Amino acid sequence: DGGITQSPKYLFRKEGQNVTLSCEQNLNHDAMYWYRQDPGQGLRLIYYSQIVNDFQKGDIAEGYSVSREKKESFPLTVTSAQKNPTAFYLCASSIEREQFFGPGTRLTVL
Amino acid sequence: KQEVTQIPAALSVPEGENLVLNCSFTDSAIYNLQWFRQDPGKGLTSLLLIQSSQREQTSGRLNASLDKSSGRSTLYIAASQPGDSATYLCAVAGSGGSNYKLTFGKGTLLTVNP
Repeated sequence: DGGITQSPKYLFRKEGQNVTLSCEQNLNHDAMYWYRQDPGQGLRLIYYSQIVNDFQKGDIAEGYSVSREKKESFPLTVTSAQKNPTAFYLCASSIEREQFFGPGTRLTVL
Repeated sequence: KQEVTQIPAALSVPEGENLVLNCSFTDSAIYNLQWFRQDPGKGLTSLLLIQSSQREQTSGRLNASLDKSSGRSTLYIAASQPGDSATYLCAVAGSGGSNYKLTFGKGTLLTVNP
């Protein structure tokens, strides 16, 4: 069953903690993306990767980090430097510039 | 900087009505335009993709048009059903080196009443 999986679905973080959100795809897509969605603000690009071992900052990369060691995986770490991390996080992958999205992870800071 | 606007922000219609959602963008140098659907608490589902060289795309009851020169796209939904209730998002991919990045509108929240 091809697609994009994100885990966990819900994540709770205490202030000062780093947390890592998982994104895996079995679509054989080269490019992968992380977006953040907040009510009333639409989707904003955090990081994207066009190929393994390479990634670029998006519009709101501060306080986040990523890695791309495998084609299938693009994990996002939300660090303690991100001052307002409570949001819905969406991972996507693309082929020929058409993007497909995972189900999302809702992160809440306690 | 590309900006994408969607009007209206919310729309409520009775079942069976035909409806149009609007999307406008400020920079006409786009690679493609994509329409998505998002149900509450879920990810985005791709509905239609229009390349910059195309004028429209159709899938079932959905028809999307693109007028690149005027910076506008419309999503037409025929014979609306309660199951069509969702948020509809428009996104454009820039041309040239930025064509991997999408710029999203804030969406139109559609409610179809039985």
